[in-house]
Amino acid sequence: QSVLTQPPSVSGAPGQRVTISCTGSYFNIGAGYDVHWYQHLPGTTPKLLIFGNSNRPSGVPDRFSGSKSGISASLAISGLQAEDETDYYCQSYDSSLSGWVFGGGTKLIVL
Amino acid sequence: QVHLVDSGGGVVQPGRSLRLSCAASGFTFSRYGMHWVRQAPDKGLEWVALIWSDGTSKFYADSVKGRFTISRDNSKNTVFLQMNSLRADDTAVYHCAKTLGGGNPGDAFDIWGRGTMVTVSS
Repeated sequence: QSVLTQPPSVSGAPGQRVTISCTGSYFNIGAGYDVHWYQHLPGTTPKLLIFGNSNRPSGVPDRFSGSKSGISASLAISGLQAEDETDYYCQSYDSSLSGWVFGGGTKLIVL
Repeated sequence: QVHLVDSGGGVVQPGRSLRLSCAASGFTFSRYGMHWVRQAPDKGLEWVALIWSDGTSKFYADSVKGRFTISRDNSKNTVFLQMNSLRADDTAVYHCAKTLGGGNPGDAFDIWGRGTMVTVSS
């Protein structure tokens, strides 16, 4: 079981908006550590989507946005496209484990 | 162009050793911390180890502590993962990843290697 909890899957139709939640604890997200989001199709190179809770690296479309509140964070994807169908992971640091932690991953299904 | 190339994976028997390498290019390697992250078949991403930019500090996940050793050679822009006493549950694709900073807790993993497959089986 992952330290950060994500829904196993979310779905939406093309053009719609979906959100993926990431819930932690007072040892990680709630302790103030930044949350980052990655897009990963197994067998390929993972890609950084959001860093520092809400910042987009250059080249990432503004359809992707991130937020954080309390012990949770969220990734929102608007204007869904077929190419968005892949796995998404949140990541932070956990002070009780003294290590970096990932969520269990969420599969986005574009209907 | 920033690039990481992982290598060294293969099939190995339980209890044996393997050494992974990750060659970096396109950035000043000695300024950044480097991680190893793995993904077992049909599982999510799992952080394995971090080494600071200057190599003075190293951190490990509990699942590999005492068996794996991370190191780096800044003169060759390469980071390594020495894996000893391998077990079946170490079977995974192993990715190296660059940090946005020197290796601080809040640093994101901004560039990743494609990964190298390690299979532990008799």
